[in-house]
Amino acid sequence: AQSVTQPDIHITVSEGASLELRCNYSYGATPYLFWYVQSPGQGLQLLLKYFSGDTLVQGIKGFEAEFKRSQSSFNLRKPSVHWSDAAEYFCAVGTPNTGNQFYFGTGTSLTVIP
Amino acid sequence: GAGVSQSPRYKVTKRGQDVALRCDPISGHVSLYWYRQALGQGPEFLTYFNYEAQQDKSGLPNDRFSAERPEGSISTLTIQRTEQRDSAMYRCASSLVGGRSTDTQYFGPGTRLTVL
Repeated sequence: AQSVTQPDIHITVSEGASLELRCNYSYGATPYLFWYVQSPGQGLQLLLKYFSGDTLVQGIKGFEAEFKRSQSSFNLRKPSVHWSDAAEYFCAVGTPNTGNQFYFGTGTSLTVIP
Repeated sequence: GAGVSQSPRYKVTKRGQDVALRCDPISGHVSLYWYRQALGQGPEFLTYFNYEAQQDKSGLPNDRFSAERPEGSISTLTIQRTEQRDSAMYRCASSLVGGRSTDTQYFGPGTRLTVL
């Protein structure tokens, strides 16, 4: 069965510092991978997605993620964090076998300190 | 244009009561999804519609949960005889086409349900 693991429940970074949020998945083939951000009182917003091709994916708000098949990972990165990036981040997996279903990780809460 | 909207945003009910949660998808979006998100967890799939047809309800936890989308637009998730364990954030999402894992799903703000 498919699963998604986000090992870090909570991360704190200083404004201007770099950020990496980890995501590992379990699936026999190449899954479809997504990162969503959830701000308080808001719905989940798609940051980026990977289906195939170039393993480095650029998203909105200056985020990028890299698919590494050998590590079953899809980590989210940002070179310089802004205070407005404080939010909950979710990694999600979709697969051809599951059609419309997404499997979400448990999320990583990001705090940005001035 | 307007995004996915959900109402009410907050619902407090007593155990044993029925509740109806509404989702209004993005205009023109074919597919609609319901998720449940417990505190500290990621969203968990409940059910999915393509137009008015409920294509997948494998995530509904038991027969107290039902959903409909009679005209292929607005959807209602109904929970009968609510229990305290039903307390969660219920999220709705829509996608333009749907039925494929590659489709981007756009999420609403959710309905926070509390069962006392």
